[in-house]
Amino acid sequence: AQTVTQSQPEMSVQEAETVTLSCTYDTSESDYYLFWYKQPPSRQMILVIRQEAYKQQNATENRFSVNFQKAAKSFSLKISDSQLGDAAMYFCAYLTQGGSEKLVFGKGMKLTVNP
Amino acid sequence: GAGVSQSPRYKVAKRGQDVALRCDPISGHVSLFWYQQALGQGPEFLTYFQNEAQLDKSGLPSDRFFAERPEGSVSTLKIQRTQQEDSAVYLCASSSRALTDTQYFGPGTRLTVL
Repeated sequence: AQTVTQSQPEMSVQEAETVTLSCTYDTSESDYYLFWYKQPPSRQMILVIRQEAYKQQNATENRFSVNFQKAAKSFSLKISDSQLGDAAMYFCAYLTQGGSEKLVFGKGMKLTVNP
Repeated sequence: GAGVSQSPRYKVAKRGQDVALRCDPISGHVSLFWYQQALGQGPEFLTYFQNEAQLDKSGLPSDRFFAERPEGSVSTLKIQRTQQEDSAVYLCASSSRALTDTQYFGPGTRLTVL
């Protein structure tokens, strides 16, 4: 079974600075998808970024980018120019390409942005 | 609709009561998922529908949990004889295709069992 590990339960960053959130996963599959979701205190889970494992190029979405290291099974999220609105729980998630379509989530990491 | 909606947003039940949680997916989305999120944890998969067919219910914790999606749109998660350990946020998500598409989440229903 696939597992996702987020080893840092909490992090903080100063507004306008850069922060990197780490995630590792365990799988025997070669094709899969990885996601970062953000869950603000209002509780709505919002997609931040998505990476297909077959793509070597790291995904980027505006201030958000990933460092995908397939051999190391590592999938970190970099937030540049942090904003107060980035404060939330961040979850790393794994989706299998075939069979069950379920997302497997890490335990999450609480990001605080200091003004 | 504009997004996934869930109702009620909050539900308090006495132990032993039955509850029903509703999910309205994004219009036209084929796939619908239910997850359970305990306090301080990541969501955990409960069950998955493709249209009206329940293709995976391996995450349902006991036979007290039952989900349906009779017309391939709205889904209901029912919990019978609620227990304190059922207290959690129940999240619904939908996606437009059967496989690998991004799942969009609703705001969740926070269930508290007293």
